[in-house]
Amino acid sequence: EDQVTQSPEALRLQEGESSSLNCSYTVSGLRGLFWYRQDPGKGPEFLFTLYSAGEEKEKERLKATLTKKESFLHITAPKPEDSATYLCAVQWLTGGGNKLTFGTGTQLKVEL
Amino acid sequence: DGGITQSPKYLFRKEGQNVTLSCEQNLNHDAMYWYRQDPGQGLRLIYYSQIVNDFQKGDIAEGYSVSREKKESFPLTVTSAQKNPTAFYLCASKDRPLADTQYFGPGTRLTVL
Repeated sequence: EDQVTQSPEALRLQEGESSSLNCSYTVSGLRGLFWYRQDPGKGPEFLFTLYSAGEEKEKERLKATLTKKESFLHITAPKPEDSATYLCAVQWLTGGGNKLTFGTGTQLKVEL
Repeated sequence: DGGITQSPKYLFRKEGQNVTLSCEQNLNHDAMYWYRQDPGQGLRLIYYSQIVNDFQKGDIAEGYSVSREKKESFPLTVTSAQKNPTAFYLCASKDRPLADTQYFGPGTRLTVL
């Protein structure tokens, strides 16, 4: 079954402690992989789109990378304001067109 | 200031009532989407529309209905046939149906009393 799995479910970091979030996928015919940030009670905020293995995108303390089976969201020297749930979504080809499947997210807490 | 607006932010419904959630966008986007978000689950697609006066069922359309009479508006009605409607509802849009990135509104939290 095609699916998207994010790990860990929750991550607690100290301010300045770098780490990575993982998004693995088993879909075939990948068209794009998306990262979103979601604050409690709010809609997801778009961060990055990655299209092919080896591609990297950066924004402030965040860097997203993509391989043929997974994507990583690297967070360098995080600050408390980086605390949020990070969602991964994969767009892939099906017989009926494109389909977008979301993972369940990684809840990140950055403490002082 | 372009964006997607959803109203109301919070909505309470009694069992047996239909309620309509509003989604408006001024981004001139062609495609619009409705998702449902439940704790511990990924976003699930309810309905989507790629063009005015046309829409398709998503993965969990039962108990929901939509309309797309204007490009900027895509309201979602949660009917009494929806067995477990309490959830966070998200509207999204993208520039063209074949464009990649969806942008989300702020969401509506529906609670059934």
